This record gives sequence, structure tokens and C-alpha cells, in this order.
Amino acid sequence: DQQVKQNSPSLSVQEGRISILNCDYTNSMFDYFLWYKKYPAEGPTFLISISSIKDKNEDGRFTVFLNKSAKHLSLHIVPSQPGDSAVYFCAASDGSEKLVFGKGMKLTVNP
Amino acid sequence: DTGVSQNPRHKITKRGQNVTFRCDPISEHNRLYWYRQTLGQGPEFLTYFQNEAQLEKSRLLSDRFSAERPKGSFSTLEIQRTEQGDSAMYLCASSPYTGASEAFFGQGTRLTVV
Repeated sequence: DQQVKQNSPSLSVQEGRISILNCDYTNSMFDYFLWYKKYPAEGPTFLISISSIKDKNEDGRFTVFLNKSAKHLSLHIVPSQPGDSAVYFCAASDGSEKLVFGKGMKLTVNP
Repeated sequence: DTGVSQNPRHKITKRGQNVTFRCDPISEHNRLYWYRQTLGQGPEFLTYFQNEAQLEKSRLLSDRFSAERPKGSFSTLEIQRTEQGDSAMYLCASSPYTGASEAFFGQGTRLTVV
């Protein structure tokens, strides 16, 4: 049973445009959410996180939005750059030491 | 290189053989995690150490799997009597923070059981 869902396997956008990556979760005990980026042949790299007490967190070109009532979060990348092309994983924690990951979404940013 | 280091990067083994992977976390990170990632899936939690103590194990970690972290530094993950279903990427991560936040991942060990 997937507790963290990334329903779109891939997304393709033009350089300079906005990329929006979506994530849904089912476990209401999740209170901390993270996005990781993964390039081929490398391990996942932490990108940005958000606590359930917030609805938005911003770091440079990356913004994560959290809608607790809908159990939905999204990652916005503006402007998108070719170097952002990677697989993005949404992950969630219920306060334990365990992260629950989604299946990932492949983002391609075309020059 | 001060990142999380995993060895070997690749391992091919015959079914029924035992394999052992090593993870060297970032120095002074007291938390260490093992995850497994299969094709088309996200990483799945296997186990967690705080210093040398193994504090949590997933139900995914069958009796054939054992992990250790002697002296709270490097960690090893051993799989006994490997099965084809064990073929996966095994990821190690470490963190200096409490809770599952901002873990730093290694490049992983890709295991292929033939």
C-alpha cells in the first residue's frame, strides 16, 4: 500500500518555464515532508523540506507547498534549468527515523 | 571526499551465496540508515542505527539480512543465501539530525543475483 504517491511518472518542460511536481500521501500521521533529487548512478540528494506547521517553504528557485487538508504537496521549480533534469522523490516522515518515499518522477528540462 | 561511501558499487552473485556491503557514513554522523530500492520504486527503509545501537528494523528485513555498526562508525549489511528477489540497489544514508530529516545518501551498492 503506497502511503506516498507520485502519480505522474514523468514531466517534460522547457527551460525557463515552471516545473510543478505533485505528491499525495495517505497517512495523516506524516508531519514532515522532503523532496530528494537523484541523478543516474548517484544516491538521492536532499533538496528541500517542509514541516506540517507550515504551508510553504522556499529556497531559491525551489518552493514546496503543503495542503494538509488535501494531503497534497507540490514542488515548484522556477525557472527550470536543464541541470534540473533528474528523478525527483517525495518523502514523508511521521516523526520516526524512517522516511517513506514515493516512486519518483522523472523531470526533463529541454533547452 | 567527505560524503557517504559505499562499497562495492556493484556486486553480482549466484543465488544462495552470501554477500556483505559496507557503508562509511559522514564522519560524526550518529544516525545511519539502510534503504533498498528496486526498479521503478522509491527507496524503502530497512533499518536504522543510532551510534552502534540498531533501533529500528523494517519487516522487509528478513532473517537472512543482518546489519551491524560496530563502534558506531562504519556499517555492514549482510545478506545470507541470496535470492533473485534480493536484486536491488542498497542505499546507505547518514544524518546528524534527530528524526528522519535531511539524510545524506551514498551512491549505493547494486546487487544482482543470478
